[in-house]
Amino acid sequence: EDKVVQSPLSLVVHEGDTVTLNCSYEVTNFRSLLWYKQEKKAPTFLFMLTSSGIEKKSGRLSSILDKKELFSILNITATQTGDSAVYLCAVYSGGGADGLTFGKGTHLIIQP
Amino acid sequence: DAGITQSPRYKITETGRQVTLMCHQTWSHSYMFWYRQDLGHGLRLIYYSAAADITDKGEVPDGYVVSRSKTENFPLTLESATRSQTSVYFCASGLGQVRPHTDTQYFGPGTRLTVL
Repeated sequence: EDKVVQSPLSLVVHEGDTVTLNCSYEVTNFRSLLWYKQEKKAPTFLFMLTSSGIEKKSGRLSSILDKKELFSILNITATQTGDSAVYLCAVYSGGGADGLTFGKGTHLIIQP
Repeated sequence: DAGITQSPRYKITETGRQVTLMCHQTWSHSYMFWYRQDLGHGLRLIYYSAAADITDKGEVPDGYVVSRSKTENFPLTLESATRSQTSVYFCASGLGQVRPHTDTQYFGPGTRLTVL
C-alpha cells in the first residue's frame, strides 16, 4: 500500500521566519511528487517534482526531491501571514489506482 | 467560466437517502477524480475515470457510484447515505498519465456534505 508521511503535522512560527516542511513516501513505481497549498477551500497546485536534486522555485517557495532517500522538502523563506495554510504532499505512482496518494498535511500558522 | 466546478457547494441530507454530487470541467481533461477529505485521514481517492465510459475504484469506493457518459461531467452518487459519509468531497481533473509532467491535478471548490 502506498504511503505518504508529512512532518511536522503542525507548525507555528513568526512572520519573517524560514520554515521547512517534510514529506517522505513509500510507493510502488514512483512517477511524481506534488505539493499543494490548501487554505479554507480547494487545494491549489504549487510544484511537481519528478527528478532528484533539481530545485523548483516560485518566489519565496522552493522544493526539492531526493528519490534515493524517498523524501521531499518544501521551504518557505521570509514567511508572511498569507502563507498560513495546510500544505499537502501527494505522490503519483504507476501502480494501482491512478489517483494521488496524499499525506495528512502540515498545518502552518504564521503569527504576525 | 472555464475551470472545474462542483454543485451543490453544501448539502444536508438524511441517512438512507440518495445524493448526487456534480462535477463539471471545461478543460477537456481526460482524467477526473473524486476525493473525500476528513480530519485525521487527509484526502482519499474514491473513484477515478480515465475517459468517458471508463471508471475505476480508488481507495474508499464502498457506498459510492460514479458514471461518466460525457468527458466534462463526473457525478458521484451516494446510493444510501450514511453518517460516515459526512465529509468534504473534492472533484479534480488532469491529463493523467500521458507524460510524467502532466500528472498535475486541479481541484474543484469542494462540496460539504452532512448526513444526519
